[in-house]
Amino acid sequence: GQNIDQPTEMTATEGAIVQINCTYQTSGFNGLFWYQQHAGEAPTFLSYNVLDGLEEKGRFSSFLSRSKGYSYLLLKELQMKDSASYLCAVMGWGKLQFGAGTQVVVTP
Amino acid sequence: DVKVTQSSRYLVKRTGEKVFLECVQDMDHENMFWYRQDPGLGLRLIYFSYDVKMKEKGDIPEGYSVSREKKERFSLILESASTNQTSMYLCASRDDTGAAGKLFFGSGTQLSVL
Repeated sequence: GQNIDQPTEMTATEGAIVQINCTYQTSGFNGLFWYQQHAGEAPTFLSYNVLDGLEEKGRFSSFLSRSKGYSYLLLKELQMKDSASYLCAVMGWGKLQFGAGTQVVVTP
Repeated sequence: DVKVTQSSRYLVKRTGEKVFLECVQDMDHENMFWYRQDPGLGLRLIYFSYDVKMKEKGDIPEGYSVSREKKERFSLILESASTNQTSMYLCASRDDTGAAGKLFFGSGTQLSVL
């Protein structure tokens, strides 16, 4: 099975940087995914890592270390619209397993 | 853009009722999924389908069944609704060409069973 841990909530100020960590245990690893979910809305795909290293996409970056079972999502130059839940998901043996999500609260 | 549409945004049913949740996608995706989302538990996979008339159990299939008669439509059925099935239900689809974990989700159905 898969075990995914991420913090429940993080608070940061507009314009700041926030790093959301995700640790996982899985077999047959085939990718780590980050999704964003605004309150009352569907999750939307943000990023995908299958090899070690950093993937950058505008203000958002995602990092993966397969040997450590660790990923993080970095949100830079925070905006109020970034207030949302961020879901870490791991693909193992063809099954996508989600973490419980990290609620990010951006304050003015 | 991929569009995944769930027929109801909010639904209230009584214990013992048979409940149908409908999901339609418009991008000819082979794979479709039903998840439920509960606070503190994240998304849990109920059933998925990789082709018409094909279905596979996910992690929590008990109390549910599914139907996929056409490629674009994937229905979740609660045979006899119970209060512990009160939850947000999310449908998703995925094609075979993209990253295996890149799903497109519908807006969800908040089901309350009284």
